[in-house]
Amino acid sequence: EVQLVESGGGLVQPGGSLRVSCVASGFTFSSYWMSWVRQAPGKGLEWVANIKQDGSEKYYVDSVKGRFTISRDNAKNSLYLQMNSLRAEDTAVYYCARGYRIGQHWGQGTLVTVSS
Amino acid sequence: DIQMTQSPSSLSASVGDRVTITCQASQDISNYLNWYQQKPGKAPKFLIYDASNLETGVPSRFSGSGSGTDFTFTISSLQPEDIATYYCQQYDNLPLTFGGGTKVEIK
Repeated sequence: EVQLVESGGGLVQPGGSLRVSCVASGFTFSSYWMSWVRQAPGKGLEWVANIKQDGSEKYYVDSVKGRFTISRDNAKNSLYLQMNSLRAEDTAVYYCARGYRIGQHWGQGTLVTVSS
Repeated sequence: DIQMTQSPSSLSASVGDRVTITCQASQDISNYLNWYQQKPGKAPKFLIYDASNLETGVPSRFSGSGSGTDFTFTISSLQPEDIATYYCQQYDNLPLTFGGGTKVEIK
């Protein structure tokens, strides 16, 4: 059974940093693109970033370019999102999802709150 | 970026009604479209891929159609458990983009 479990969310002040993680199981992690998608409270879904199987390609939505970095450790079946210079508008549930086009497999999400 | 315009933003229908949601892309995306169902506090559930293909295990009352810029999602007979917000999502180009969502309620 495919499982994606996010962690690392929490309360952070504006301008601060946070790293969220996603541990994958039930499939060959190194064979798949992985994505981060976020959802602000009461709002819709927004794709944030994705990363190729070997980490050689990474793409971001414009609003996080230069502030967020997606990475992965295939030996640990783990996906990461390093978030710097956080803003109030980054407050959201962050989901990891399997695949370039996303689709079936999502984690349960981790809440990141940016507030003073 | 490709904009995905979903309508309506909300609807209220009776159990057994046919429900239709539309999703319009700002440019041709062929059939590179997913549909999801999301219930409060839960991750989205994948329903349809390639605009019209039902994911395994999804009830047959759900269907999708369309290509190019205009797409339709249909629930043929609304059930109480279908109360949720539905999203379309294109994967023709990065950034991947979602429609704004359609909240479906029971009348």
